[in-house]
Amino acid sequence: RKEVEQDPGPFNVPEGATVAFNCTYSNSASQSFFWYRQDCRKEPKLLMSVYSSGNEDGRFTAQLNRASQYISLLIRDSKLSDSATYLCAVVLSGGFKTIFGAGTRLFVKA
Amino acid sequence: NAGVTQTPKFQVLKTGQSMTLQCAQDMNHNSMYWYRQDPGMGLRLIYYSASEGTTDKGEVPNGYNVSRLNKREFSLRLESAAPSQTSVYFCASLRGTVKETQYFGPGTRLLVL
Repeated sequence: RKEVEQDPGPFNVPEGATVAFNCTYSNSASQSFFWYRQDCRKEPKLLMSVYSSGNEDGRFTAQLNRASQYISLLIRDSKLSDSATYLCAVVLSGGFKTIFGAGTRLFVKA
Repeated sequence: NAGVTQTPKFQVLKTGQSMTLQCAQDMNHNSMYWYRQDPGMGLRLIYYSASEGTTDKGEVPNGYNVSRLNKREFSLRLESAAPSQTSVYFCASLRGTVKETQYFGPGTRLLVL
């Protein structure tokens, strides 16, 4: 079993739709969690951190469920510009090693 | 403030050739990382350096060596390139606390024939 798993998609959604991604992790001692966005042929960039209490940034909401060992990302009112690959990242105990999921591809259509 | 820079952007090697990928950051970050990204595999950690003077293996270190030259620079060396090392290589840096994000360089696309 991979340490961090994501549904690769692709998710094809119309503009304005709400879409949700999940990411599961296997190491219960994982310390920090992030969602990154990666555009085609570009480097990953931080989208948002994921806190135990959940956090929201505009149309994006991230949540952490430690009991079930997954994190989620919800995108509301999807825009064409949201089309990208979304990577979840888990920082292992010790604080230096980050394991990334393989990414979920999202296509938002007009 | 350039962030994280990588050279070269593209490289084609023949099997058995060697090369060094360069990475530098100007954010005074303590930790630096090398990843490779392959289709369907996501980012896989090759080596990392938690602080100047230390290096540790990641998930896929075989066939690679690293040098943390100073706080700014972290190089990745392929001593004898193999076609299986065809990939996109990303360098990243982190200031040093668990809660902080990594910043990535633009990547090096390597093709080994």
